[in-house]
Order: sequence, then structure tokens, then C-alpha cells
Amino acid sequence: GAGVSQSPSNKVTEKGKDVELRCDPISGHTALYWYRQRLGQGLEFLIYFQGNSAPDKSGLPSDRFSAERTGESVSTLTIQRTQQEDSAVYLCASSPSTPGLASSYEQYFGPGTRLTVT
Amino acid sequence: EDQVTQSPEALRLQEGESSSLNCSYTVSGLRGLFWYRQDPGKGPEFLFTLYSAGEEKEKERLKATLTKKESFLHITAPKPEDSATYLCAVQGANTGNQFYFGTGTSLTVIP
Repeated sequence: GAGVSQSPSNKVTEKGKDVELRCDPISGHTALYWYRQRLGQGLEFLIYFQGNSAPDKSGLPSDRFSAERTGESVSTLTIQRTQQEDSAVYLCASSPSTPGLASSYEQYFGPGTRLTVT
Repeated sequence: EDQVTQSPEALRLQEGESSSLNCSYTVSGLRGLFWYRQDPGKGPEFLFTLYSAGEEKEKERLKATLTKKESFLHITAPKPEDSATYLCAVQGANTGNQFYFGTGTSLTVIP
């Protein structure tokens, strides 16, 4: 079946511009995560969506970052007034997250969006 | 604070030379420890989930084990196609929805 898809695969933007990144999760997966991966560093949690519950935004690094998700489908991560330190690969993952199912916390990642801020 | 440390940072093996990767963790109430494989330019690919000390899981040439403080990913008779970065992540009972990832071990298997 189709995996997690992300678009665009690469994005180059000028400092100060806004960017929008898109994630299409696996159909039926209720949980969706956004991560940031800087070169040579581990994945950094940004935000988590679970069904229609309020998102967990505790990982967002500043108020320039925001994300939305419509139901259990597409999610968009928006970065306003981009800075050079925002340059990274942004990864999206989805998970079945079915209570009582042993495999429910396994995350399936998309290929990522490489963001370069010049 | 929950933490994950992976070692070594990089490992070069001859084809067929078995070895182990280490993931040390500190977490309040382990909910799960996860291993992923990441190829250059791609997102991480799920390999294993371990839930409790003493648990082991195998897949082809890979075997993951778990103790109360660390996990090992054993690679038996590796092949060049096993070359990738291997990531470890933990989820704690008190960390809500957050998964903490290590920085990974970059494995190169030389033919």
C-alpha cells in the first residue's frame, strides 16, 4: 500500500519568507508526527496529532512554527519568517496508534522535505 | 530528563564481520524502544520495537536485545546492503507523545 508522502522534496527559500510543507499519512493512521532533523543530529520532535484531539505542540521551537491537520488526513507545517537555522530536513511520520495493539506506536516515516534557507 | 545515547557514531565492517551497535537510554517508565534504519536522503524505516527487559527480536541478519539500561542491535555476517544509519528511539510513560531519538550509528560494510 501507499506509504507516507511529503511535498515538496526540496525547498530553497530566502530568509524572511514563509514556507508550507505537506504530509500525506498512511490511510487509517490516526496519529501523525512532525520532526526536524538537522545535519548530524538526532530527530527533534515538533508536534503530534491524534485523531480529533488537541495537538501536542510542546516541541515547536518558536511561534514562527505552526501545523494543522484536517481530521485524520493531510497535515501542513508552516514556518513563518524563515531563518537560516530553520534549514533542516523535516520528517513526517504516521502511526496506527490503536489502544491495545502492540504495534500501535510504530511510526512510518515519509521521505522528508529538505529545507534550505539562504 | 529522558535521554538516548548511541555508540559508536560510525562503524566500518568487512563483509561477514559481525558486530553490535549500542543504544543507552534513561527514561521514566519505558513504554517502548524502537530501532530504525535510515538510508541517505530517505526517512527512517521501522525495524523493531522492544517493550521490556529480556525481550529479543530478529529480522534477517539483525537481532535487537533490551536490558533495563540499554539495547543492542547485533548484526551477523553483514552485507554491503546493510550499510545505513541505525537510529534508536525511546518513548517513556511520562513523556506523553514524545519519542526521543539518538543521533544514530553510521554503518559501512565493505565488500
